[in-house]
Amino acid sequence: DAGVTQSPTHLIKTRGQQVTLRCSPKSGHDTVSWYQQALGQGPQFIFQYYEEEERQRGNFPDRFSGHQFPNYSSELNVNALLLGDSALYLCASSLAGEHYGYTFGSGTRLTVV
Amino acid sequence: RKEVEQDPGPFNVPEGATVAFNCTYSNSASQSFFWYRQDCRKEPKLLMSVYSSGNEDGRFTAQLNRASQYISLLIRDSKLSDSATYLCVAPMFSGGYNKLIFGAGTRLAVHP
Repeated sequence: DAGVTQSPTHLIKTRGQQVTLRCSPKSGHDTVSWYQQALGQGPQFIFQYYEEEERQRGNFPDRFSGHQFPNYSSELNVNALLLGDSALYLCASSLAGEHYGYTFGSGTRLTVV
Repeated sequence: RKEVEQDPGPFNVPEGATVAFNCTYSNSASQSFFWYRQDCRKEPKLLMSVYSSGNEDGRFTAQLNRASQYISLLIRDSKLSDSATYLCVAPMFSGGYNKLIFGAGTRLAVHP
C-alpha cells in the first residue's frame, strides 16, 4: 500500500519563476493538505483540497494556488517565486473530516536563488 | 498569540535521562492533540495522540490540561534514537473541515 508520494524531491528555481509540485495521496484517502516548512520552523498550513475544491486556506498570498484531480492527486503552484519561498513543501493526505489519520509525504525541498 | 506554542529548545540530555516538553494552544474548542516526531530533513510522523487527560505508550507519556490549554510530552530513559524535533499539533475545525496546526517544534539531542 503506497503512502504519500511527492515529486520532485528537490528543486532549484530562480526568483520570479513559477513552480509546480505534485502529490499522490495514500490509497483510500480523498483529502490533500499542503504545508510549507521553513528551516527551523514548524509546518505552516497552505491549503486543503477535497472533491477537487479548495476547502480551507492558510495565510498565504494568491501566488500560491493548487488543484486536485479526480484521482485525488494534487498540485501546488507558486508564481513569481521569492527567496523567502525556499522551504520544504509537505503534502499530507487524509480522509475528509478526520484529523487523526494524516499521512505525510517526504516533501519537496525548494530552493529559490 | 500563536495558535500553538512550544519551547524551541534545544534540549541536550544524556542517555537515560527523563525530559519533558511543553506546549500551549489558543483554541479552546480543540478536542484532541498530537505529538509528531520529525527527523532531520524528513517528514513528520505521528508519535502520540491525546484525547482525554493523558496517554502513555512505553517510555512516552502525553498529558493534556484543558483548563490551562497545555499539553506535555514526557520521555523517560532517553535513547540516542530519540534525537529529533518534536512537534505539538492541534487540529482546528472550520466549516466541516479540519486542518492541523503545528507548533514550531522542540529539538531534542540525546548524547552518550
